Amino acid sequence: GEEVAQTPKHLVRGEGQKAKLYCAPIKGHSYVFWYQQVLKNEFKFLISFQNENVFDETGMPKERFSAKCLPNSPCSLEIQATKLEDSAVYFCASSEYRESNQPQHFGDGTRLSIL
Amino acid sequence: QKEVEQDPGPLSVPEGAIVSLNCTYSNSAFQYFMWYRQYSRKGPELLMYTYSSGNKEDGRFTAQVDKSSKYISLFIRDSQPSDSATYLCAAEKGRRALTFGSGTRLQVQP
Repeated sequence: GEEVAQTPKHLVRGEGQKAKLYCAPIKGHSYVFWYQQVLKNEFKFLISFQNENVFDETGMPKERFSAKCLPNSPCSLEIQATKLEDSAVYFCASSEYRESNQPQHFGDGTRLSIL
Repeated sequence: QKEVEQDPGPLSVPEGAIVSLNCTYSNSAFQYFMWYRQYSRKGPELLMYTYSSGNKEDGRFTAQVDKSSKYISLFIRDSQPSDSATYLCAAEKGRRALTFGSGTRLQVQP
């Protein structure tokens, strides 16, 4: 599609439950990025993919967070044993692969509320 | 110190005013600079994308980059109430994670 599509728009989980978020990048885009937005517009980078391969995972919490981008499926971000501090808006962005660097385009995010 | 600094505002201007939004950055490895607009409960929307020092114009928007002083700006001419949003500057080293400023809230009064 022409837009980055994120589902669900809002996800509510009790503390300790699992949360799974999905992202369909713009058709033809090879790079996918996940960001976490917490209070006061602070964006934290989590992980990026080039096609189905992890490109950069330096921002990913090691213990409870995992992510995948499999062929012909939406990318996913999964949080095991959620904590209150995981409450945030999670954004996915995608960009084309060309010889020159290309900008990232964002979806509208998934608002995760941990109760 | 954050790698990208941005005045959080809020900034309130009358309709038709010229708006100037600014960021500074500290990491010389940043090569690409972006301005995004974010409405409440929406994702960041790309406004401008620049690489080299100088000006880039698109309609009412002008992005300015000065790599020697590590300063980036966005100018909005003839501001409209629909421009009321949070404006985010961002910097990138190339196919890598974006580093965002903290955003400036802009309110354009009719």
